[in-house]
Amino acid sequence: EVQLVESGGGLVKPGGSLRLSCAASGFTFSNAWMSWVRQAPGKGLEWVGRIKSKTDGGTTDYAAPVKGRFTISRDDSKNTLYLQMNSLKTEDTAVYYCTTVRVEMATPYFDYWGQGTLVTVSS
Amino acid sequence: SYELTQPPSVSVSPGQTARITCSGDALPKQYAYWYQQKPGQAPVLVIYKDSERPSGIPERFSGSSSGTTVTLTISGVQAEDEADYYCQSADSSGTVVFGGGTKLTVL
Repeated sequence: EVQLVESGGGLVKPGGSLRLSCAASGFTFSNAWMSWVRQAPGKGLEWVGRIKSKTDGGTTDYAAPVKGRFTISRDDSKNTLYLQMNSLKTEDTAVYYCTTVRVEMATPYFDYWGQGTLVTVSS
Repeated sequence: SYELTQPPSVSVSPGQTARITCSGDALPKQYAYWYQQKPGQAPVLVIYKDSERPSGIPERFSGSSSGTTVTLTISGVQAEDEADYYCQSADSSGTVVFGGGTKLTVL
């Protein structure tokens, strides 16, 4: 059974940093593309970014609102995905979900989701 | 920037058919996906590649595509289907886009 368990959320001041983790199990993590998707309180889903498997180059891609501030990385030896968030803004307040990524005809989609971790950016 | 447009809300009575649409200019060239999200829970993939249903998703959920519009159809709606539904696709560069979501109310 695929399991994705996020951790590391909490309250942080504007301008601060936070690192989220996602522990994966139930599948071959090293072969998987992974992504982060967020949801602000009472709002819709927003894609944050994606990391490919190392065999596919291990490259990352980010949504415009977080590019240059957020970094996605992975430790395949620990089956863990990370999201390093710097220069946080109040508008980054959201539940952050870790997801697996599949691609069909160049369209990515998200077949498994974690339960999410809440990040609150407030002074 | 590329957008997917969904109606904010749809209401149906139990046993009726609910149809939720999603419109976007790139949909003829890109697959669409649908997610169900119940309050306090993570989203769940209910339709992939426009019309395929993942294992474990009830047969009453189906998807279709016509031009720039894709449709999620729930036949014989049950109370447990009350949720927010999001369509998702990608723009021409492969950047993920979500629709704004549709709240399905079962009357």
